[in-house]
Amino acid sequence: GQQVMQIPQYQHVQEGEDFTTYCNSSTTLSNIQWYKQRPGGHPVFLIQLVKSGEVKKQKRLTFQFGEAKKNSSLHITATQTTDVGTYFCAHGSSNTGKLIFGQGTTLQVKP
Amino acid sequence: DGGITQSPKYLFRKEGQNVTLSCEQNLNHDAMYWYRQDPGQGLRLIYYSQIVNDFQKGDIAEGYSVSREKKESFPLTVTSAQKNPTAFYLCASRTTGQGISYEQYFGPGTRLTVT
Repeated sequence: GQQVMQIPQYQHVQEGEDFTTYCNSSTTLSNIQWYKQRPGGHPVFLIQLVKSGEVKKQKRLTFQFGEAKKNSSLHITATQTTDVGTYFCAHGSSNTGKLIFGQGTTLQVKP
Repeated sequence: DGGITQSPKYLFRKEGQNVTLSCEQNLNHDAMYWYRQDPGQGLRLIYYSQIVNDFQKGDIAEGYSVSREKKESFPLTVTSAQKNPTAFYLCASRTTGQGISYEQYFGPGTRLTVT
């Protein structure tokens, strides 16, 4: 079945540094979603990308969907301690809506 | 205030006992999902239901059972046949209306510990 691979697994940054997590698939994806899970919490939807080469921004977060629709990235500019958590990419099945999640990238931010 | 509720937040059981986790939503969503999350790992799909009285196995359904008798409710039973039941269980729901959004809304989760 379709799989999405996410790297890195962990990232420690100093507050104010940038952060990027990458999501890759061997097959073309019809869509990619990003979720954030705070420590001890549940995943919260951030954004969905569906178009080739799409770029969306939410304040300090920039989301990209590759031209071939096989990869995606989430970039955070000037991290803050509130950015701490695990970021997941996920692909939604067009038939069932079920999500296939990447393994997640856990971000730690040192103040 | 709309959302998804899961209860209890923490659950402790002895090995060999069946346990049922509750999931209720008042978002009027047709589709509901159960995921399992183990420490440091992503979410894996256990069961899902796109409509009342119908559900399908996900990737790791062995040792679990579900029912969908009402639109609002999708309880998950962890049976004694599940070999490693200790995990964080997350319920989610999604609208299947117009548009191509696959956004899922997650409940707060239940942490199950079996000893």
